[in-house]
Amino acid sequence: EIVLTQSPGTLSLSPGEGATLSCRASQSVRSNKLAWYQQKPGQAPRLLIYDTSSRATGIPDRFSGSGSGTDFTLTISRLEPEDFAVYYCQQYDNSYTFGQGTDLDIK
Amino acid sequence: QVQLVQSGAEVKKPGASVKISCKASGYSFSNYYMHWVRQAPGQGLEWMGIIYPNGDGTDYPHRLEGRVTMTRDTSASTLYMELSGLRAEDTAVYYCVRESYSGSGSYLFWGQGTLVTVSS
Repeated sequence: EIVLTQSPGTLSLSPGEGATLSCRASQSVRSNKLAWYQQKPGQAPRLLIYDTSSRATGIPDRFSGSGSGTDFTLTISRLEPEDFAVYYCQQYDNSYTFGQGTDLDIK
Repeated sequence: QVQLVQSGAEVKKPGASVKISCKASGYSFSNYYMHWVRQAPGQGLEWMGIIYPNGDGTDYPHRLEGRVTMTRDTSASTLYMELSGLRAEDTAVYYCVRESYSGSGSYLFWGQGTLVTVSS
């Protein structure tokens, strides 16, 4: 099973700042089969990025994904108030697993 | 538009079974891989298994094999997930999800979630 480790666990930033979230895999994720989700309290997760760097329909271009192999990054260029949430990475190369999440909160 | 509407909350005793439904609409039900994902209170997301289109089978993680059964009724565009031998740690919100495109592995569409509480 591929284990995904996200860092940091909590990230405290202010609106307008940029955010960088990391997802590290215990073994290589082939074919860039990695996605990112955003989850707000009481809601289902929402797909942001799939296949490492493709934005899902309707996702603003301030969200971008990058990486390969074992190291992946979600970047939010300028934080809006609605971006403060929990973010999960997911790999779907070898079965399906999620990271433990990064809580992005307002400083 | 694509919709996944799940059945309502359940309260079960330890050792019992629960069966959750997920009715799909707005797309061709037979053409997409479907999954179940759960989330314990205050915890992260956990993959529970996949059911392939057109009766092509299922795949479950080892930790749930023998306790989880996923089925689909194509005529009713409905997915089912049954979990047996319930334990307190099975208390969670359970989501049915549809892949972004068939075989993609990422989850574009989510049901609203079904809370299952296991308590004596």
